[in-house]
Amino acid sequence: AQSVTQLGSHVSVSEGALVLLRCNYSSSVPPYLFWYVQYPNQGLQLLLKYTSAATLVKGINGFEAEFKKSETSFHLTKPSAHMSDAAEYFCAVSDLRDDKIIFGKGTRLHILP
Amino acid sequence: DTAVSQTPKYLVTQMGNDKSIKCEQNLGHDTMYWYKQDSKKFLKIMFSYNNKELIINETVPNRFSPKSPDKAHLNLHINSLELGDSAVYFCASSFGRQGTEAFFGQGTRLTVV
Repeated sequence: AQSVTQLGSHVSVSEGALVLLRCNYSSSVPPYLFWYVQYPNQGLQLLLKYTSAATLVKGINGFEAEFKKSETSFHLTKPSAHMSDAAEYFCAVSDLRDDKIIFGKGTRLHILP
Repeated sequence: DTAVSQTPKYLVTQMGNDKSIKCEQNLGHDTMYWYKQDSKKFLKIMFSYNNKELIINETVPNRFSPKSPDKAHLNLHINSLELGDSAVYFCASSFGRQGTEAFFGQGTRLTVV
């Protein structure tokens, strides 16, 4: 069965600093991987997705993620944090056998002035 | 034009009541989902429909009954509401099965008192 583990339910970074949100997945077949962002009182918005093309995936708002099969990881990064990045971030996994997306428990990103 | 729209956005009701949440998507997708987000932000899939056919029912109590009159609509009816049903319910849709990225509605915050 697929699963996703997000390390750290809360992450705080200073404005302008590197953002790193960690995600490890478990899947017995090649996965599809996603990062979603949820702003307060809103729905989820897709940041980026990996579907077996390039291992470095660029998304919206300056975010990117790298698929590392050997580490079963799909960490999300952004070189310079902005106050507007404060939100809940979800890593998610799916694969060709399945009809659903499995979400991690989320990481709340706090941006310090 | 809202891609995935849910109504109502907020729903406050008493225990024991029956309520419905409606969802419509105008993206031409053929797969629709209901997810439940609890107070700790954990997202769990409840149901998935593909072309009006039930694909996934994730051990949800039978008080919850989804209905898909056509592939653009997926409604959720809940009977005999309980305090534990309080959560944010998200509708989502995707093109095809097998875990392509899902587009989410803004959510319905259900509070059972």
